[in-house]
This record gives sequence, C-alpha cells and structure tokens, in this order.
Amino acid sequence: GQQVMQIPQYQHVQEGEDFTTYCNSSTTLSNIQWYKQRPGGHPVFLIQLVKSGEVKKQKRLTFQFGEAKKNSSLHITATQTTDVGTYFCAGKPGGYNKLIFGAGTRLAVHP
Amino acid sequence: DAGVIQSPRHEVTEMGQEVTLRCKPISGHNSLFWYRQTMMRGLELLIYFNNNVPIDDSGMPEDRFSAKMPNASFSTLKIQPSEPRDSAVYFCASSLGQGFYEQYFGPGTRLTVT
Repeated sequence: GQQVMQIPQYQHVQEGEDFTTYCNSSTTLSNIQWYKQRPGGHPVFLIQLVKSGEVKKQKRLTFQFGEAKKNSSLHITATQTTDVGTYFCAGKPGGYNKLIFGAGTRLAVHP
Repeated sequence: DAGVIQSPRHEVTEMGQEVTLRCKPISGHNSLFWYRQTMMRGLELLIYFNNNVPIDDSGMPEDRFSAKMPNASFSTLKIQPSEPRDSAVYFCASSLGQGFYEQYFGPGTRLTVT
C-alpha cells in the first residue's frame, strides 16, 4: 500500500540546536500536513502545504514541500524544551482519498 | 467548541471481555476517523466515515473490531473479544472532509487488556 516514510525516527538535541525531520513518498502527494504530539497528548495540526516548492514559516518552524511534491521537511531553529514531542507528517497520495501518516520523529531537547 | 470528546479516557479490562469506545466529533464535521497508536506500530488508521457512512475500513485488524456511526454526533469502536495485543491508545478525530482538511484529534482512550 501507499507509504509515507519519515526520518529520523528519534533525535535528541541540546537546547538551542537546530532540528530537521524529513518526509518522503514514492508517489506524488496532493498535499502534506504536519502534526505535533506532546508526550501523553494527542496529535495537533500545525500546517498544510499544497503547492510545489511551497515554504511556510511559523516562528522558529519552517516547513517545505518539494518541487516534485514527493517530499517535505520541518526545520526548527534554536530548539527549546517546549519543542519536545513527536512530529508527524501526513500526505495524501494523488488518487487516494485519505491521508497517510508517517511514523513520526520523536524529538528530545536537553536543557 | 469542546473539541472531539472521547470516553472513557482509560479502560482496563480482562482478555475476552467486550470493550466499547465512544466518540463525539466536532459539530459540523462530516468526516470521522478512528486511529490506534502503539510504540511498535505507530499511528494506524483503522476506519473512517464520511457523512456517517464507512468509507475505508481496510485498517481494521480483524473481525473482532467493529465501528459504527449511527448519527453525525456519535461513533463507537467495539472490540469483542478483547486480547492483550489490543492494548493501545485509541484516538478519534474529525474534520470537515477527507484529505485536504486538518484533523482534530480527541484526547484518546488508553486501553489495557490484561
């Protein structure tokens, strides 16, 4: 079946360092969404990208959608302890009528 | 808005017992999703409904699992009989539609089957 691969599975950084998670699909995606799940919490929607090459920013977070619409990334500048959690990408392959979630990247931030 | 409501928040049951999880989506949302999350398998989509009709149940593990949506404001996920490997957090989510709309997740039900 359709898969959306996400790497790395886990990353720990020192507070202040940058962090990036990547999402890849073997097929073209109509759109991609990003969610954040805090420890013990539930996934919360962050953003959606639709256009080829689109870049969106939310404060220290930068989201990119690849030119071929097969990959995406989330970059966090100068991580803070409040960034701790698991970040999921979710893409809708063309012709598919549902979002496929990646496995998530768990971010640990050490003060 | 109260958001997506799930009950119970925690459920501990013995193997072989029937378990029913409940969900109330956000008013006005016409798509509802049931997910299961475990450390081993991550976040899995079990089934989703559109306008109360099941659209894709390919993620339902086996016949022990069933889901219903009798009306726009209520859905259930039933496991009968339950097994220890069903232990997980079960999330319900709702959205205005499927694919291009953000999903709003409920707080989840943590199920433990002993």
